[in-house]
Amino acid sequence: EAQVTQNPRYLITVTGKKLTVTCSQNMNHEYMSWYRQDPGLGLRQIYYSMNVEVTDKGDVPEGYKVSRKEKRNFPLILESPSPNQTSLYFCASSRTYLQSYEQYFGPGTRLTVT
Amino acid sequence: AQRVTQPEKLLSVFKGAPVELKCNYSYSGSPELFWYVQYSRQRLQLLLRHISRESIKGFTADLNKGETSFHLKKPFAQEEDSAMYYCALRGDTGNQFYFGTGTSLTVIP
Repeated sequence: EAQVTQNPRYLITVTGKKLTVTCSQNMNHEYMSWYRQDPGLGLRQIYYSMNVEVTDKGDVPEGYKVSRKEKRNFPLILESPSPNQTSLYFCASSRTYLQSYEQYFGPGTRLTVT
Repeated sequence: AQRVTQPEKLLSVFKGAPVELKCNYSYSGSPELFWYVQYSRQRLQLLLRHISRESIKGFTADLNKGETSFHLKKPFAQEEDSAMYYCALRGDTGNQFYFGTGTSLTVIP
């Protein structure tokens, strides 16, 4: 089954403790992206990747890192999480960046930083 | 700077009534605009794109460059249309996306 998976789905952590949210897709998609969703702010793009080893900043990249060493995986790294990074995070992928409008979204990861 | 505005957080209409979800944008070039929908307990998915000019599930959206709007319309709302709707704009390079804050539509039986 074609899908985008994220792990963990729920995470409660403390300020400053490094964490990684994994994202994996099994559709051989080139384009992948991370978003955060906050009440009243909608979805905001954090980082995106056009292909392996090609990543770039979205609208709100501060405090986040990403890597794209393999086509299927696009982990989101929070080196030193802060409470303002408490949010619902979505990973998405599409066949190519030209078709990035047809993104397949993951189920979301709800992160709470205390 | 690119920006997408959805002025209504919540919208309720009766079944069979027309529905219009508003979307305005700010963009300096030729925008690509989209509507996404998220049904309860489902993932966000593409509903339609302005380039295709097609009707999906009875919904249409016309890009009005003069008014910088991309409103989503349906002549007769159905209960299954109840969902969260997001308007989105794709940026210059084709890689960056800007989403509105979303409108929660409830269709009252």
